[in-house]
Formats: sequence, C-alpha cells, structure tokens
Amino acid sequence: GESVGLHLPTLSVQEGDSAVIKCTYSDSASNYFPWYKQELGKRPQLIIDIRSNMDKRQGQRVTVLLNKTVKHLSLQIAATQPGDSAVYFCAENTGGSYIPTFGRGTSLIVHP
Amino acid sequence: KAGVTQTPRYLIKTRGQQVTLSCSPISGHRSVSWYQQTPGQGLQFLFEYFSETQRNKGNFPGRFSGRQFSNSRSEMNVSTLELGDSALYLCASSLGSSETGELFFGEGSRLTVL
Repeated sequence: GESVGLHLPTLSVQEGDSAVIKCTYSDSASNYFPWYKQELGKRPQLIIDIRSNMDKRQGQRVTVLLNKTVKHLSLQIAATQPGDSAVYFCAENTGGSYIPTFGRGTSLIVHP
Repeated sequence: KAGVTQTPRYLIKTRGQQVTLSCSPISGHRSVSWYQQTPGQGLQFLFEYFSETQRNKGNFPGRFSGRQFSNSRSEMNVSTLELGDSALYLCASSLGSSETGELFFGEGSRLTVL
C-alpha cells in the first residue's frame, strides 16, 4: 500500500491550547483513515477514524478532517491536557485491504 | 474480555540467532497482524494472517516469517538475527472481516540483538 506522510515529527503545545496534527496520503483509493494514539510505553489505541465518504468527524475533544482533493488529513485536539502527550499515528486503508498502512507518527508534547 | 497477549515481553539475543514471538488475539478475532516499531520509523507492517493464511505481507526480508494456528494464535520468527532487528514487535488482532475494523494491539515484545 501507499505510505502516509506526516508534516511534523514533533509538536509542542501549552496545556489548554489546541493541537493540530497533519497527515497526507497518496493513494486515492484509500477509503478509511484511522488515528491511533500511543502513550509512552503503552500500546497504540484507536482514538478516532473517518471514512472517505465523510469530510469531518468529531469525538470527545478530537476532530478529524479529511480533504480528499489534496489528500490531507488533520487531527485536532481541543483543550489539550498533559495526558494527551503521546505519539499519534495516522493510517490509511486502501480499497480491498483489511490492514491499515501507518505513518511514522507525530509526537505531541503538552506542557503543563 | 482478555486483551491481546504477547510473549515474551523482553528478550535479548545475539547476532545469528533466531527468535520466535507469540501473540494470542482477543477471543473471536481471526486476524492477527505484526508490526515492527523502531524510533523514528513508526509502525512498519510485517504480515497479516487470517484463518491460518497469510493475507498480506509487508516489505521485509524472508528472514521474517510467521504462522497462525487454528485457534488464531500467531507466531512470528526471525532467523539469522541482525543488530538492526532490535525493535519493539507489536501484534494486533481484529475481526478481519471489514476494511474498517479496529486493531487491538498487544503490549509488544521488545527484542534486543547484541
């Protein structure tokens, strides 16, 4: 499958601020985009996902935007907390694939 | 229900040796996928097994192999270990019947090759 690329390897924000993690993908056949969060020393866990027939999806303090025209994804985390400090992976499932291809991850650091 | 279990959690090997890692998926999950995680390289896909058959394979050399048993438990084997094989090896299980299925990861097996 196609690799997903990330704009920034590390993002630092102050507690309470918003954080935006950006991602690009190159396979126009990709139809599903999950985001996983991995805290230090822990396993990755799904936090939100979006399908290609959607432009936006909201969760608790997190929003994912999908721009299929330019093949961009973004994960917005509102009112960040120290517990949001983690590596965030965007991923994509191309059509017919049951397993997502992960990007390298963005390390988010939330300063108290 | 029990989560994904990986054994061993930590191991140290020397170059040239081989290693076998085990993954027990969540009950009812038929897909097990394996990933190599190294600093700065993200989650690199090794292979996926579904109902005892390898369904997808990543771009790793033939030294990396795997298998899945009838109870969905999976093993991966790395032969002729190299220093660069030092990494955290994660397995993930899912139902495997949907392109939008959530992956449930184990805690990983940390391999150090000396």
